[in-house]
Amino acid sequence: GQNIDQPTEMTATEGAIVQINCTYQTSGFNGLFWYQQHAGEAPTFLSYNVLDGLEEKGRFSSFLSRSKGYSYLLLKELQMKDSASYLCAVRAENYGQNFVFGPGTRLSVLP
Amino acid sequence: DADVTQTPRNRITKTGKRIMLECSQTKGHDRMYWYRQDPGLGLQLIYYSFDVKDINKGEISDGYSVSRQAQAKFSLSLESAIPNQTALYFCATSEDYSNQPQHFGDGTRLSIL
Repeated sequence: GQNIDQPTEMTATEGAIVQINCTYQTSGFNGLFWYQQHAGEAPTFLSYNVLDGLEEKGRFSSFLSRSKGYSYLLLKELQMKDSASYLCAVRAENYGQNFVFGPGTRLSVLP
Repeated sequence: DADVTQTPRNRITKTGKRIMLECSQTKGHDRMYWYRQDPGLGLQLIYYSFDVKDINKGEISDGYSVSRQAQAKFSLSLESAIPNQTALYFCATSEDYSNQPQHFGDGTRLSIL
């Protein structure tokens, strides 16, 4: 089975910074992906990490520590349109090289 | 036009009916996937296919079947629908390389009464 954990819900204020954590247990790790999903819509790709460290893409950054089985997505200068669910997905050999998704974190950005 | 197209977008049907959800893609990807999404449970893999002659069960395949008619087409069938199959269903594609993400269709909202 899958062992990917994320907080269920988070709330933050417009203009602030928020960090969404993801922890996983797997063998044959082959990459971690973050997706954004607005309610009722398709997930869209945000970022990819396979090596330890920080990947930055504009207002969004993602960090990975393979030894700790830990990643986070950092969203800066929050905007109302960032209210969405954020899905962490791991690709690994023990998943048949498929993507296994965490339960998602629903982020609400308040004015 | 969307790269990954799912039909229908919405469907309401009755218990016991046979239903087919269709997915087509113009991305030229070999790998295709079917997921269901329930509130609080994230995306669960139903079936996946790495090329036209390859079909594999995912974590929740019971009650479902698939057909990979061509590289571009991957359909999901519910042979005899039951109410707990009510969910949002997504088709996705990906390239063969491990650093490439999945690309999702817009989803099919299925309700079984």
